[in-house]
Amino acid sequence: AQKITQTQPGMFVQEKEAVTLDCTYDTSDPSYGLFWYKQPSSGEMIFLIYQGSYDQQNATEGRYSLNFQKARKSANLVISASQLGDSAMYFCAMREETSYDKVIFGPGTSLSVIP
Amino acid sequence: EPEVTQTPSHQVTQMGQEVILRCVPISNHLYFYWYRQILGQKVEFLVSFYNNEISEKSEIFDDQFSVERPDGSNFTLKIRSTKLEDSAMYFCASKKRSTTNQETQYFGPGTRLLVL
Repeated sequence: AQKITQTQPGMFVQEKEAVTLDCTYDTSDPSYGLFWYKQPSSGEMIFLIYQGSYDQQNATEGRYSLNFQKARKSANLVISASQLGDSAMYFCAMREETSYDKVIFGPGTSLSVIP
Repeated sequence: EPEVTQTPSHQVTQMGQEVILRCVPISNHLYFYWYRQILGQKVEFLVSFYNNEISEKSEIFDDQFSVERPDGSNFTLKIRSTKLEDSAMYFCASKKRSTTNQETQYFGPGTRLLVL
């Protein structure tokens, strides 16, 4: 079974609009962490935002926010005021308590920002 | 801001040759990782390393792979006899500490390996 599912292989958004990238996860661990990484065409992996399973508040980092719905096991990334430089692959990832060192990545969503 | 660095950025090698990929983790980080990403696919965990030994490894990390921290700054991944299917982007990552489950792994820019 897939641990991380990202159902949108590709997304388009108009510049300055907000966009939501979906992520659902599967774990039976009570403690886990969720991450979003951005991979531009140059290939590097850039950390964007983190959400802990016990965090009461949704994480925010500048224009990025994480819509964490624990009961639904979803951790959607919201990018506000999209910029052309946001065009990239976006990966949702998870680290479980029982597999402490390993980060499991989803298949990614390709985001294209249209001027 | 401190970064994970990796060298070389690109490497082309012949099948059967040995390659060593190099990484310099962030200086006060204690946990080190290698991941790989075959072109067009998702990122896959290979191995984690702490206190001079492997702490966890995946099924991909077979006897052809080894890791080493030869000095206080470098962390290397060696592939002894490369195969065509080893062609991928290899990412090094590091993490500061492990007191909670919430420490972020920071990734380097990757080494793109092409095996011919």
